[in-house]
Amino acid sequence: AQTVTQSQPEMSVQEAETVTLSCTYDTSENNYYLFWYKQPPSRQMILVIRQEAYKQQNATENRFSVNFQKAAKSFSLKISDSQLGDTAMYFCAFMKRTGANSKLTFGKGITLSVRP
Amino acid sequence: GAGVSQSPRYKVAKRGQDVALRCDPISGHVSLFWYQQALGQGPEFLTYFQNEAQLDKSGLPSDRFFAERPEGSVSTLKIQRTQQEDSAVYLCASSPGTPSEQYFGPGTRLTVT
Repeated sequence: AQTVTQSQPEMSVQEAETVTLSCTYDTSENNYYLFWYKQPPSRQMILVIRQEAYKQQNATENRFSVNFQKAAKSFSLKISDSQLGDTAMYFCAFMKRTGANSKLTFGKGITLSVRP
Repeated sequence: GAGVSQSPRYKVAKRGQDVALRCDPISGHVSLFWYQQALGQGPEFLTYFQNEAQLDKSGLPSDRFFAERPEGSVSTLKIQRTQQEDSAVYLCASSPGTPSEQYFGPGTRLTVT
């Protein structure tokens, strides 16, 4: 079984600054995906960024980038130039890459507030 | 293009009532997932369909929970004899097939009084 741990329940950042959200996971699988999903208040969950475990290069999507440390089982999200619209709950999630069942295993989430 | 839709968006049920929650996935998506999200928590897996076949129902919390997807498109999650602990947001997600990104619907917020 896989577990995903997000130990910081809340974080706050000033607009235009950089913030890093932490995530660790535990698995015996070798092939898997890791995701960061964003859930704005009262709005639906959307994908922020995806990392494939077999790729050593860290994924980037505009202002969002990850620091993937496979040996340490760590997967942090860095948000650069924070914007007010980044205020949301952020979930780290794990998915096995093979097999018929590709369910997501989520962490408890972190509430990020961007201050004007 | 249309995303994943769910109905109703909000449902209030008295304890003991049966409820049915509907999910319309993105057209052509063969995989469909149901998750339960308690307040302030991450979503937890309930069940998974590939086309009309329910391949995994290991996350369903009790035999009061039942899901179906008879024609491989729309899915319904049914909860019988609702209890207060069933209060949560029920999320549906669909995916093209092989392990990849899941697209989430807006959820149904169920409140059992």
